[in-house]
Amino acid sequence: DQQVKQNSPSLSVQEGRISILNCDYTNSMFDYFLWYKKYPAEGPTFLISISSIKDKNEDGRFTVFLNKSAKHLSLHIVPSQPGDSAVYFCAVLGGTSYGKLTFGQGTILTVHP
Amino acid sequence: GAVVSQHPSRVICKSGTSVKIECRSLDFQATTMFWYRQFPKQSLMLMATSNEGSKATYEQGVEKDKFLINHASLTLSTLTVTSAHPEDSSFYICSAPAGGVDTQYFGPGTRLTVL
Repeated sequence: DQQVKQNSPSLSVQEGRISILNCDYTNSMFDYFLWYKKYPAEGPTFLISISSIKDKNEDGRFTVFLNKSAKHLSLHIVPSQPGDSAVYFCAVLGGTSYGKLTFGQGTILTVHP
Repeated sequence: GAVVSQHPSRVICKSGTSVKIECRSLDFQATTMFWYRQFPKQSLMLMATSNEGSKATYEQGVEKDKFLINHASLTLSTLTVTSAHPEDSSFYICSAPAGGVDTQYFGPGTRLTVL
């Protein structure tokens, strides 16, 4: 049972445009949501997070939106840059397991110059 | 940010041998560390939670006798894959929380290939 789903395996965007990455979750007990960026053969790098008491968090070019009623979060990157090309994972924290991160399947973002 | 290292970065071994992977927090102490596994084109799956001074907690379906975890100090956790088989070939990643469980730093990963 996949508790965290990223339904788009890949996304292709032109440089300078907005990239929107989506993530759905099933457990309303999750209380913290994170986005990670990952390159092949490397560990994930933390990007941005949001707690369940908020609906938006912004950090530079990255904004995460949380819609609790829909159990949906999204990551907006604007403007997109070629260096943003990587695999993006959403992850959730909380529920019954302390400190346990549950990851989505990942979305491969390609930003074309 | 905090730094987590892993050693080795890549290892190739013969079937039936054991392989040890180290995870170190370089500039902070971690009483808890997490071990993940990622198969090609799949998500990261939590295998176990490593606890300093006590036994590791394993996720459902992960064999504790096959994946031995030792949290020897506040900066070191080791994962030993015992009697490795080709199906154990994967990318193993550790993480450690720094300043709270919502801030986890990941190591660079270890690529294990079992022939």
